[in-house]
Amino acid sequence: QVTLRESGPALVKPTQTLTLTCTFSGFSLSTSGMCVSWIRQSPEKALEWLARIDWNDDKYYSTSLETSLTISKDTSKNQVVLTMTNMDPVDTATYYCARTWDLPLSYYFDYWGRGILVTVSS
Amino acid sequence: SSELTQDPAVSVALGQTVRITCQGDSLRRNYASWYQQKPGQAPLLVIYGKNNRPSGIPARFSGSSSGNTASLTITGAQAEDESDYYCNSRDISSSHRGIFGGGTKLTVL
Repeated sequence: QVTLRESGPALVKPTQTLTLTCTFSGFSLSTSGMCVSWIRQSPEKALEWLARIDWNDDKYYSTSLETSLTISKDTSKNQVVLTMTNMDPVDTATYYCARTWDLPLSYYFDYWGRGILVTVSS
Repeated sequence: SSELTQDPAVSVALGQTVRITCQGDSLRRNYASWYQQKPGQAPLLVIYGKNNRPSGIPARFSGSSSGNTASLTITGAQAEDESDYYCNSRDISSSHRGIFGGGTKLTVL
């Protein structure tokens, strides 16, 4: 059974750095083809893909946010960590991690965590 | 980057068939995947690949594609299908990045 769970602070102040952890089970990020993405959803409801890390440690970032994002993994702990620097109130959103499949003709997220609401406010 | 466009809202009478569409250049070379999201819940994958349903997704959900447009069809919509629906594909300008449509609010009348 595949599960993912996000953890981190519910509230951060503007300019601070956000660190979120995705702890998963039911698969291994050392298995060829496995990927995990971070996705967020603003209160206005749009889903936005943020970053992805692959089994071989390849990393990909949203073009608009790549200067502020860092993704990493700890395979032994089954965890993926996302850091986002210089947080702003517009970054207030629910942050999800999701198992990701990047196949020749399709790209999809088959399991999602429940999400964590992060509010950016002083 | 590329974009996926969805109609903001669609309605369907109970038991009727509804099609939700998603348009974008990425869809000329990639299948869309579709997600259902109910209030307060994470998105749930309902269609991926050419027309594949994960285990537990009812057969009334199906996917299709033509040119730059992908469609999610619900045949015989049920009250519990009232949700937000999002499409996703890859960014054609950077194929390892994902993109989402803006979402469609489906109302079952």
